[in-house]
Amino acid sequence: DAGITQSPRYKITETGRQVTLMCHQTWSHSYMFWYRQDLGHGLRLIYYSAAADITDKGEVPDGYVVSRSKTENFPLTLESATRSQTSVYFCATGRRGGNTIYFGEGSWLTVV
Amino acid sequence: AQSVAQPEDQVNVAEGNPLTVKCTYSVSGNPYLFWYVQYPNRGLQFLLKYITGDNLVKGSYGFEAEFNKSQTSFHLKKPSALVTDSALYFCAVRDMNYGGSQGNLIFGKGTKLSVKP
Repeated sequence: DAGITQSPRYKITETGRQVTLMCHQTWSHSYMFWYRQDLGHGLRLIYYSAAADITDKGEVPDGYVVSRSKTENFPLTLESATRSQTSVYFCATGRRGGNTIYFGEGSWLTVV
Repeated sequence: AQSVAQPEDQVNVAEGNPLTVKCTYSVSGNPYLFWYVQYPNRGLQFLLKYITGDNLVKGSYGFEAEFNKSQTSFHLKKPSALVTDSALYFCAVRDMNYGGSQGNLIFGKGTKLSVKP
């Protein structure tokens, strides 16, 4: 049971291209999150979802789009990648009524 | 606003010695506090949490943390460090501004723990 699977794990893309990072969970947790990790900033919330078809902005949503048509999937799309979006992206999940958030292995994205 | 601070960027410890990684918090209301560990090129792994109850919380891999309300601290501790404990450690506090009823986590900047043989 992999729990949370992120793909791709590593990606290099060019400025202006569209990139989609995939997140899949096998736990049926209601909540899913996308964070980015940057040196000096720690982790910051980009978007979250409370259930299928319910998404909402986090602290740093600009330049990103999410969708959640199925409970188990929560893709993050950079519609037109910029160098400032070079980062490590973590998908995370949480059970409704629970207190703990669980993280995937991360996707390393470099925008050149 | 909720926040956590990890005052040390790096902590160096000799194997077998006790270790402490410090965390202080600022919250309104009762805090929900967490520790996560991140190994190189890996995701964050949950270590332990404080919600309510006993101030000494035990977690994975022999780690524990002590909640101190008067000092607004939640320091991570281990009686005897291992070389394999070397990693990046994050303290976090639950924040209800985002994340719906689940809440979100506000993270500290992280502390790099280095355990030398």
